[in-house]
Amino acid sequence: EAAVTQSPRNKVAVTGGKVTLSCNQTNNHNNMYWYRQDTGHGLRLIHYSYGAGSTEKGDIPDGYKASRPSQENFSLILELATPSQTSVYFCASGDALGGRGQDTQYFGPGTRLLVL
Amino acid sequence: SQWGEENLQALSIQEGEDVTMNCSYKTYTTVVHWYRQDSGRGPALIILIRSNEREKRSGRLRATLDTSSQSSSLSITAAQCEDTAVYFCATDPLLSGSFNKLTFGAGTRLAVCP
Repeated sequence: EAAVTQSPRNKVAVTGGKVTLSCNQTNNHNNMYWYRQDTGHGLRLIHYSYGAGSTEKGDIPDGYKASRPSQENFSLILELATPSQTSVYFCASGDALGGRGQDTQYFGPGTRLLVL
Repeated sequence: SQWGEENLQALSIQEGEDVTMNCSYKTYTTVVHWYRQDSGRGPALIILIRSNEREKRSGRLRATLDTSSQSSSLSITAAQCEDTAVYFCATDPLLSGSFNKLTFGAGTRLAVCP
């Protein structure tokens, strides 16, 4: 069973402050992802990574940076947090052993972020 | 049905009933993923169907895929209280420059039992 952990699980931040969300996976997956999920909606991709040292922009990257210092760790950084970034953030890791389009993603438990 | 920016759909059924959730997608895909999300947890893959399969079964779950109409469905037979969750479909749009990027639908919230 894939193991993806996130920290913190809950975070309250002030507008304009810096927030770092951390993700760790122990499955040696090359691909890692950051999503946000807003009430009543699906997951939207913020940033993703193919491996250590790589980060790519997802569908909604504005206001976010990402860092992948190692195979296991992938961070999401909000340099200047805004209330519109209040959301639940999910990290996932994935493999594509079945080929293109078949990346089974294993999700962490989520981080609930409130920006005041 | 669910997709893209559509709002979360909601279904409420009684235990023992069968239920089908639909998903339509906008761009070509060779595979549809169905994920389940329990309250307070991250999504988890429950079934994956490839374009050459048309139908896939796993226990009480049945997924179908019709690439000509760009639609997929997930059926649950004899639903149980523990099937209460949000169900998402997801595809890889196979766009140039993307690699194993899943696009998730808005989801269907299924409630079984009062």
